[in-house]
Amino acid sequence: SQTIHQWPATLVQPVGSPLSLECTVEGTSNPNLYWYRQAAGRGLQLLFYSIGIDQISSEVPQNLSASRPQDRQFILSSKKLLLSDSGFYLCAWSVARVPLTDTQYFGPGTRLTVL
Amino acid sequence: AQSVSQHNHHVILSEAASLELGCNYSYGGTVNLFWYVQYPGQHLQLLLKYFSGDPLVKGIKGFEAEFIKSKFSFNLRKPSVQWSDTAEYFCAVKARVADTGRRALTFGSGTRLQVQP
Repeated sequence: SQTIHQWPATLVQPVGSPLSLECTVEGTSNPNLYWYRQAAGRGLQLLFYSIGIDQISSEVPQNLSASRPQDRQFILSSKKLLLSDSGFYLCAWSVARVPLTDTQYFGPGTRLTVL
Repeated sequence: AQSVSQHNHHVILSEAASLELGCNYSYGGTVNLFWYVQYPGQHLQLLLKYFSGDPLVKGIKGFEAEFIKSKFSFNLRKPSVQWSDTAEYFCAVKARVADTGRRALTFGSGTRLQVQP
């Protein structure tokens, strides 16, 4: 069966420090991968999605970047964190071959607090 | 671009009360519709989905949703809620956008349901 992992689970970082959040998927190949952010009191906002290695689309301009160095690994990064980067970051995957009907499966999330 | 509105931000019900959470979307074409639920301390998980066919969709734990195309709505219902239904509920829409490769969901802002015993 497929599983999705995210780490770390929680992170507290000072403003201006770098960030690296990792997401890995097991049990499937060539998945679509997604990064979402859930800010307090707000819904999920799509940040990035990827349909393959080194194929990444950004949905909103921001201080963050994403990379997909391996088929089942998706990394969210920042060179210098801002206070506004605080939030709950969710990684998700879906089956690539049926894009119109694919259901997204979410990881456990990373709670990031920038102080 | 499509958008999703969940007008009820916080709903408080007593056990055995009936539930209806509203979800409206803005997109004129073919859509896939989802309801996700996030129980306290748990992952976001799929509750039910609509792709085509019968507009009344049944999901897990006694939930159902009805797709009304003319109203651009996909409201979530449960005839009798339980304390264990306390969670945050998210409506999401995925629209068919030709030639863009965009395959991600647009989420509503969520509805926090609190069921009192």
